[in-house]
Amino acid sequence: IAGITQAPTSQILAAGRRMTLRCTQDMRHNAMYWYRQDLGLGLRLIHYSNTAGTTGKGEVPDGYSVSRANTDDFPLTLASAVPSQTSVYFCASRETGGLAYGYTFGSGTRLTVV
Amino acid sequence: GQNIDQPTEMTATEGAIVQINCTYQTSGFNGLFWYQQHAGEAPTFLSYNVLDGLEEKGRFSSFLSRSKGYSYLLLKELQMKDSASYLCAVRTEISGGYNKLIFGAGTRLAVHP
Repeated sequence: IAGITQAPTSQILAAGRRMTLRCTQDMRHNAMYWYRQDLGLGLRLIHYSNTAGTTGKGEVPDGYSVSRANTDDFPLTLASAVPSQTSVYFCASRETGGLAYGYTFGSGTRLTVV
Repeated sequence: GQNIDQPTEMTATEGAIVQINCTYQTSGFNGLFWYQQHAGEAPTFLSYNVLDGLEEKGRFSSFLSRSKGYSYLLLKELQMKDSASYLCAVRTEISGGYNKLIFGAGTRLAVHP
């Protein structure tokens, strides 16, 4: 693994189902983020984690939950998916206390809720 | 509130110069980023400004005026591969020295022969 790995790459999900998007990084970055990207709206922050064991809410947290049990993993869970959660989801990480431009993005998960 | 504005679409000719503008109004400012994103791919870092002035990096330059809440990305000697979306993002503090990026909606640039 080099950088950030997201899985799955894409998924079609029935409304009401539970889904966990996986994000793993091997750079030992402290801070991790989940964004969703929708046409015309850009990237919007869902949840973030500054260090293992801590999480916080971003701009659009409703319907999503996260956990940060260790430094490397930051899964995003949709408890009961709805069509408005159809989007492309990007995980990102950053080394805190380091250089200013340490944000690294994963390749994204394209989720369609039907 | 948080507001970052940039044009939705731009077109330019191969070999030309294009300037993509970004204006922002955010509660807090801790640097401005430009990212490039090709269709279906992840954003990749282009430039970072935290002080006023111009940062040059090869064919790409970025300018910042904090007093005006304004930045631009300048792309010179345009190539077809520069066709992509360009994302302006402002870094703001969450708490305790940690921060987050707030993104504009992005500018889709189409480069024509």
